[in-house]
Amino acid sequence: GAGVSQSPRYKVAKRGQDVALRCDPISGHVSLFWYQQALGQGPEFLTYFQNEAQLDKSGLPSDRFFAERPEGSVSTLKIQRTQQEDSAVYLCASSLGAGPGYTFGSGTRLTVV
Amino acid sequence: AQSVSQHNHHVILSEAASLELGCNYSYGGTVNLFWYVQYPGQHLQLLLKYFSGDPLVKGIKGFEAEFIKSKFSFNLRKPSVQWSDTAEYFCAGHTGNQFYFGTGTSLTVIP
Repeated sequence: GAGVSQSPRYKVAKRGQDVALRCDPISGHVSLFWYQQALGQGPEFLTYFQNEAQLDKSGLPSDRFFAERPEGSVSTLKIQRTQQEDSAVYLCASSLGAGPGYTFGSGTRLTVV
Repeated sequence: AQSVSQHNHHVILSEAASLELGCNYSYGGTVNLFWYVQYPGQHLQLLLKYFSGDPLVKGIKGFEAEFIKSKFSFNLRKPSVQWSDTAEYFCAGHTGNQFYFGTGTSLTVIP
């Protein structure tokens, strides 16, 4: 597609529920990134894939967060046993290489109630 | 540790006023600096970027930024803002695999 597509756009989850957020990068983009943007804050790095390999997951805030990209294209960010502090916009970005030529998606706004 | 700070959280201007948004960075090595804009309900869009060379960089929509190494600054400027510039603006540095974003500045332009 023309841009990075994320779904759903909005997700409301009850505390303790598991959620899965999807990212469809631009076709052919090797690198894929996830960022978390809390209200009133700038985006913060979560994890980075090069093709199917997760090369950096240093930003994942806890072991409840898990990301995968099994075939090197679509990626899923999974959050288990959601907590209120997980409420944020989750941004996906992709790029041809590993450098900063990102295209960002519009994000998924997660609200945990 | 790498970090980027933005001083202005909310800025309100009238149309045709000049804009300057502050950004300071803290880095130990090579600096790649960016300004992104996020219009309401839309994705982050790149305004401009600095890697090296001429410290005055020009971006889209009439925006420019100046890299001043001695001040560790990369302020965003526009001589005359328009109502359509109302948005959130993020300064960011990039190193390794990731961006380091500032907390953002919300700009409201009053017609």
